[in-house]
Amino acid sequence: AQTVTQSQPEMSVQEAETVTLSCTYDTSESNYYLFWYKQPPSRQMILVIRQEAYKQQNATENRFSVNFQKAAKSFSLKISDSQLGDTAMYFCAFMKHDGYSGAGSYQLTFGKGTKLSVIP
Amino acid sequence: GAVVSQHPSRVICKSGTSVKIECRSLDFQATTMFWYRQFPKKSLMLMATSNEGSKATYEQGVEKDKFLINHASLTLSTLTVTSAHPEDSSFYICSARVGGGYISNYGYTFGSGTRLTVV
Repeated sequence: AQTVTQSQPEMSVQEAETVTLSCTYDTSESNYYLFWYKQPPSRQMILVIRQEAYKQQNATENRFSVNFQKAAKSFSLKISDSQLGDTAMYFCAFMKHDGYSGAGSYQLTFGKGTKLSVIP
Repeated sequence: GAVVSQHPSRVICKSGTSVKIECRSLDFQATTMFWYRQFPKKSLMLMATSNEGSKATYEQGVEKDKFLINHASLTLSTLTVTSAHPEDSSFYICSARVGGGYISNYGYTFGSGTRLTVV
């Protein structure tokens, strides 16, 4: 079984500054995905960024980037130029994959979340 | 992008009655749908996994007879909370896998959630 740990229940950052949210995971799987999801006050889950475990290059999506350390089983999210709209709960999630076939729909394992507040 | 439409967004029901929550995939076929429950300020807890045309798989501790899941088509999955009680009050979210084939297309999309209040 997989576990995902987010050790920061709450964080705050000044608008336009940079913040890093931490996530560690434990698994014996070799093929997997890692995700960061955002849940704003509307409660809609929104995909922020995705990382395939076989890729060494860290994923980036505009102001969002990850630091993926596979050996350390660490997957942190960096938000640059923080905006008020970034205020939300952020969940780190793990999903195993069966390789290149694309078959199967494996469940996501979520961390407990980090509540991020962007301060004007 | 792929969208899952979830209804209703809010529902209040009397104790002892049943409530149905629907999730529809609007522009893709959802072979598998996941149902989550979320308590205030908590993470998502997987309740069950539904596969089109077959019985749902429930997580340990989730009552199958209370939370009935039906996945009759590739675009519709429903969760029925039967004989609801105040302790069933919660936020329920569905999610479907999107893409497949190449790993780079893999992901999940979520419904907007249903806030259930049992009085």
